[in-house]
Amino acid sequence: KAGVTQTPRYLIKTRGQQVTLSCSPISGHRSVSWYQQTPGQGLQFLFEYFSETQRNKGNFPGRFSGRQFSNSRSEMNVSTLELGDSALYLCASRLGLSGTGELFFGEGSRLTVL
Amino acid sequence: EDQVTQSPEALRLQEGESSSLNCSYTVSGLRGLFWYRQDPGKGPEFLFTLYSAGEEKEKERLKATLTKKESFLHITAPKPEDSATYLCATWGGGGADGLTFGKGTHLIIQP
Repeated sequence: KAGVTQTPRYLIKTRGQQVTLSCSPISGHRSVSWYQQTPGQGLQFLFEYFSETQRNKGNFPGRFSGRQFSNSRSEMNVSTLELGDSALYLCASRLGLSGTGELFFGEGSRLTVL
Repeated sequence: EDQVTQSPEALRLQEGESSSLNCSYTVSGLRGLFWYRQDPGKGPEFLFTLYSAGEEKEKERLKATLTKKESFLHITAPKPEDSATYLCATWGGGGADGLTFGKGTHLIIQP
C-alpha cells in the first residue's frame, strides 16, 4: 500500500515569490492535514481538509492556503514568501475526521527561501 | 491552549543502556496521545496511540505508558538503529486544531 506522497521534495524560492506544494494521501484516506516543521518551533498545524472543505485551521497568516480535490489529493500554497517560511512542510493523511486520529506523514517538501 | 513538553531535548546512550523519554501535557479533553519516530530528512513515522490513563503499548524495544499528566516512552536495551528523534503529540479540544506536538527528544545510541 503506497504511503503519502509529497512533491516536490526540495525547492528554493526567493522572497516575494509564491509556492505550491502537492500531496497525495494514502488510498482510501479522505482527510489531509498540513504541518510546518522548523528547528525553533517544531511541528505546527497549518490546516486540515476533508471532502474538499477546510475543517480546521492553525494560527498562520492568510498567505498560507490550501485546497483539496475530489480524489482527496491536496495542495497548499504560500504567497509572498518570507525568509521565515523556510521549513519542512509535511502532509499527513488519515481515514476521516473521527476515529483514532492517527496521522500518517509523507516525507515532506523542504522549502528554502532566499 | 494545549501544551506538550518533552524531556530531555537530547539523550546519548550506550547500546543496551535502557532509559525513558518523558512527555508532559496540558490538554483539555484528551482524545489521544501519539508517539512518532522521525529520522533525519524523513517525515514522522507513527509508533503508538494511547487513549486513557493506565494504558500501555509495546513494540519491539519500545513501550509507551500514559498517566493523566504525562506519557513515557521506555526504551529497553536499545540498538544503534533506534537513534532518531522521538515526537509526542496530543489530540484534544474536540480535535479542532490538529495535533499539538512537542519539540521532540533527539536520541543517539552509540555502539
